[in-house]
Amino acid sequence: GAGVSQSPRYKVAKRGQDVALRCDPISGHVSLFWYQQALGQGPEFLTYFQNEAQLDKSGLPSDRFFAERPEGSVSTLKIQRTQQEDSAVYLCASTDSFGSYEQYFGPGTRLTVT
Amino acid sequence: ELKVEQNPLFLSMQEGKNYTIYCNYSTTSDRLYWYRQDPGKSLESLFVLLSNGAVKQEGRLMASLDTKARLSTLHITAAVHDLSATYFCAVPPYNNDMRFGAGTRLTVKP
Repeated sequence: GAGVSQSPRYKVAKRGQDVALRCDPISGHVSLFWYQQALGQGPEFLTYFQNEAQLDKSGLPSDRFFAERPEGSVSTLKIQRTQQEDSAVYLCASTDSFGSYEQYFGPGTRLTVT
Repeated sequence: ELKVEQNPLFLSMQEGKNYTIYCNYSTTSDRLYWYRQDPGKSLESLFVLLSNGAVKQEGRLMASLDTKARLSTLHITAAVHDLSATYFCAVPPYNNDMRFGAGTRLTVKP
């Protein structure tokens, strides 16, 4: 079946613009995670959804970051008034809620803020 | 707060040699994951280790988990160029979100 998909794959934004990044998880996966990966670093947790409920947003770096998953499937990560330090790859992952809890990662969206 | 530390961060190996990458974590967890990432690509799952003493092998890679020591190892046997990549270990503290190590950038030279 299809894996996790993300769009767009690449996004260039001017500082101060708002951006929206989309994640389509694997069908039927209950849990969805967003991570931020800066160049040369490991992914860092941003936020977590179980179905439509956002259970943990402790990793969001500022109130300019907002995520939603209104129908418990597709999720959108929105960044308002982008800053240069927001430049990174944003990874989405989904998982079943049982078994190994293995997370399946999407290809990522590379955001460059100029 | 959970800390995950990998070493070495950079590893240059000759083809045919063996080496081990270490992953230490600071709080209790009964699961640990290893991922591979090629430049410009996403994360590919290598191993899921679910219990103390778990050992898994795939090709030239073997991973093990010691939950009492809070240590996992990724052993590379007879390295080949195709193994060149960055390897991450990750531990889920709660809610199943992952805390990642900084990664080990492996280069295998002929």
